[in-house]
Amino acid sequence: QVQLVQSGAEVKKPGSSVKVSCKASGGTFGSYAISWVRQAPGQGLEWMGRIIPSVGITNYAQKFQGRVTITADKSTSAAYMELNSLTSEDTAVYYCARTYRERSSSGVYSYYYMDVWGKGTTVTVSS
Amino acid sequence: QSVLTQPPSVSGAPGQRVTISCTGSSSNIGAGCDVYWYQQLPGTAPKLLIFGNSHRPSGVPDRFSGSKSGTSASLAISGLQAEDEADYYCQSYDRSMSGPGVFGGGTKLTVL
Repeated sequence: QVQLVQSGAEVKKPGSSVKVSCKASGGTFGSYAISWVRQAPGQGLEWMGRIIPSVGITNYAQKFQGRVTITADKSTSAAYMELNSLTSEDTAVYYCARTYRERSSSGVYSYYYMDVWGKGTTVTVSS
Repeated sequence: QSVLTQPPSVSGAPGQRVTISCTGSSSNIGAGCDVYWYQQLPGTAPKLLIFGNSHRPSGVPDRFSGSKSGTSASLAISGLQAEDEADYYCQSYDRSMSGPGVFGGGTKLTVL
């Protein structure tokens, strides 16, 4: 059974960047996408974006466009989420999640459930 | 402000049945996008509870059931148990199944 292992907690200064990793253990990403979801303290889940590691296609939430970059190394089954220009509002737990996807005959990708989640990486932004 | 609307909290006594609603719009649930439900126990990552509106992954008790109609969806939990106390989130996609993911604000279930 594939598990997603995330990198450790980070403490960052305002204005800096953070890069969180997510590596498949016990298997590979296969044809799945990897989504990134964050959760601020005491708040709900927020979708940030996703990548299909096998082809490198990415999509981002409008809120994070231009500030977030999601990459993947399919040879090592690792995905990365880098967030720039950090503020205190970026203090949150960041999760990666395996996302089932399909591709139609016309080349359109559809995305479905997030069935395997990492344990989360706490990012604290403080001066 | 979440794209999908859930009640902040629900409660029920052990053995009772509770439902959690998830209201979207014509650009997500109403556009035919599937709804998913996740359970998040305190201090842990979310866990997939329902996929494809009403299907349970292997290992999820049949006490949990999901449904969808129009621009809304519901999660029902019957035979409430103390271990069901958790936060529950609905999730779908916006505009199409190729669109951005959207979540509800979450519902805290308290077992009295």
